[in-house]
Amino acid sequence: GQQLNQSPQSMFIQEGEDVSMNCTSSSIFNTWLWYKQDPGEGPVLLIALYKAGELTSNGRLTAQFGITRKDSFLNISASIPSDVGIYFCAGRKGGSEKLVFGKGTKLTVNP
Amino acid sequence: DSGVTQTPKHLITATGQRVTLRCSPRSGDLSVYWYQQSLDQGLQFLIQYYNGEERAKGNILERFSAQQFPDLHSELNLSSLELGDSALYFCASSTTGGPNEQFFGPGTRLTVL
Repeated sequence: GQQLNQSPQSMFIQEGEDVSMNCTSSSIFNTWLWYKQDPGEGPVLLIALYKAGELTSNGRLTAQFGITRKDSFLNISASIPSDVGIYFCAGRKGGSEKLVFGKGTKLTVNP
Repeated sequence: DSGVTQTPKHLITATGQRVTLRCSPRSGDLSVYWYQQSLDQGLQFLIQYYNGEERAKGNILERFSAQQFPDLHSELNLSSLELGDSALYFCASSTTGGPNEQFFGPGTRLTVL
């Protein structure tokens, strides 16, 4: 099935650094979602975006719905050790019930 | 805690066998979604039920089936299991029929030996 192109695949950063990751598609999406998954757990919804150009924050996390509707970005500021995990983007096309997921960005934060 | 529960947490079985995975959605949620997560394929949407009716189908094999009961809990049945079916199986729920905000359960780890 179709998947979104999520990059980078993995990141190794120092505590306190800012992080950026993105998700792109060849198709237009009407909804973008960002999830975080801890080992052995289910994905947890971080941010939902519904409008092109929308910028939404959740604490130290900020996500944007790209103007072209073909991409989305997630930024984490001042990273802390508990930010460790896998971050997934997900998108929904207009008229579709299905969510399409990226393959995830694995984040490691060194104290 | 998302409010979505899944049982069992772990399941180990042999090839050719049949298993049933269970999911209880968050209170008030009418939609249930099933996903398969494997290392090489990421999260793959399998099927969605809304208020007891099948709503959308994804990459679900014919050996797999699901249903949603009147109390809104859902079961995913996997039969004639193969080694490649080993994966994490997640259930998610949402209030509406659309998948805009889905809340995931903790998953069932299936190992087929």
